[in-house]
Amino acid sequence: AQTVTQSQPEMSVQEAETVTLSCTYDTSENNYYLFWYKQPPSRQMILVIRQEAYKQQNATENRFSVNFQKAAKSFSLKISDSQLGDTAMYFCAFMHQGAQKLVFGQGTRLTINP
Amino acid sequence: GAVVSQHPSRVICKSGTSVKIECRSLDFQATTMFWYRQFPKKSLMLMATSNEGSKATYEQGVEKDKFLINHASLTLSTLTVTSAHPEDSSFYICSASAADRERETQYFGPGTRLLVL
Repeated sequence: AQTVTQSQPEMSVQEAETVTLSCTYDTSENNYYLFWYKQPPSRQMILVIRQEAYKQQNATENRFSVNFQKAAKSFSLKISDSQLGDTAMYFCAFMHQGAQKLVFGQGTRLTINP
Repeated sequence: GAVVSQHPSRVICKSGTSVKIECRSLDFQATTMFWYRQFPKKSLMLMATSNEGSKATYEQGVEKDKFLINHASLTLSTLTVTSAHPEDSSFYICSASAADRERETQYFGPGTRLLVL
């Protein structure tokens, strides 16, 4: 079974700083998808970024980028120029290609301080 | 686009009663809908997966007779918590994948907070 591990329960940085959230996963499959979801205090889950395992190029979405290391089974999220609105729980998630089940990590609570 | 709504947003009920939660895809057709449960400060746990017109597939440990799921149309799925007890109090979240978009992307509803007294 796939597992997703987020080793940082909480992180805190100053506004405008860059922060990296770590995520590792375990799978024997070769084709899969990885996601980062954000859950702000409203508790609405928001897709931040996604990565297809077959793509070597790291995904980017504006201030958000990932460092996907397939051999190491690592999928970290980098937030540049952090903003107060980035304060949220961040969940890393895995999905095997062909299946629709999302497996979530434990989450990292990120606080951006003014 | 890809908006998912849930109703109600919060509900308080007495122990022993049943509660129905609706999940709707507002601007797309959802071939598959998912129901999650989230305990305070914890991650999301998948309860079941439902495809329109067929029976839901429940995850191990989830009582299908207690958590009834119906996916009668491409835009609506319902979760009914039957004979609710205080231990069923939780935050329930649905998500949906779109028929005309990437199947691996799930769009989430805003969640329903259930409190059983």
